[in-house]
Amino acid sequence: KQEVTQIPAALSVPEGENLVLNCSFTDSAIYNLQWFRQDPGKGLTSLLLIQSSQREQTSGRLNASLDKSSGRSTLYIAASQPGDSATYLCAVRGGVTNAGKSTFGDGTTLTVKP
Amino acid sequence: KAGVTQTPRYLIKTRGQQVTLSCSPISGHRSVSWYQQTPGQGLQFLFEYFSETQRNKGNFPGRFSGRQFSNSRSEMNVSTLELGDSALYLCASSLLSSGGHSYEQYFGPGTRLTVT
Repeated sequence: KQEVTQIPAALSVPEGENLVLNCSFTDSAIYNLQWFRQDPGKGLTSLLLIQSSQREQTSGRLNASLDKSSGRSTLYIAASQPGDSATYLCAVRGGVTNAGKSTFGDGTTLTVKP
Repeated sequence: KAGVTQTPRYLIKTRGQQVTLSCSPISGHRSVSWYQQTPGQGLQFLFEYFSETQRNKGNFPGRFSGRQFSNSRSEMNVSTLELGDSALYLCASSLLSSGGHSYEQYFGPGTRLTVT
């Protein structure tokens, strides 16, 4: 059974700081990994998708990496802003025992202080 | 392009009743997945539909069911509601590769179900 863990559960940083969010998964036979942000009471907004054959993806101030063999992904946020405050979730899709299902971590709640 | 839409946005039901939630995917997306999000269990996969067929199913009781129509719109139904079914129900749509692997998932705003 695929399990996804996100560390830390919560993070508070001053504005302008660079930060890294971590995601680990137990079954490395995944199809892809996707990072999302969720604002309170809202749906999920897709940030980055990394296919299993890729090592990283970048979008603006965001960079996500994937190391399938070690079962890890990181989301790097550069020059954080108060508007980045949200819960960040990673989701892995597929795997030997998961046949295309998506498994989510519990998320990291980020607070960026002005 | 319009995003994923879900109706209704909010719903209050009583224990024992049943409920039907609706999801309209992004135009051209034929894969629709449903998730349940609760504070205690996080986001959990319910099921995925493609071309009117259920492709994958999560570990939920048979009270949770779904279907997909020929226009890719999907509905999920929960029968005999329990207090623990109170949650945010999210729908996501995506394209599929030729190999059947899903690309980026796009989520709707969710339906907030409260069971009293």
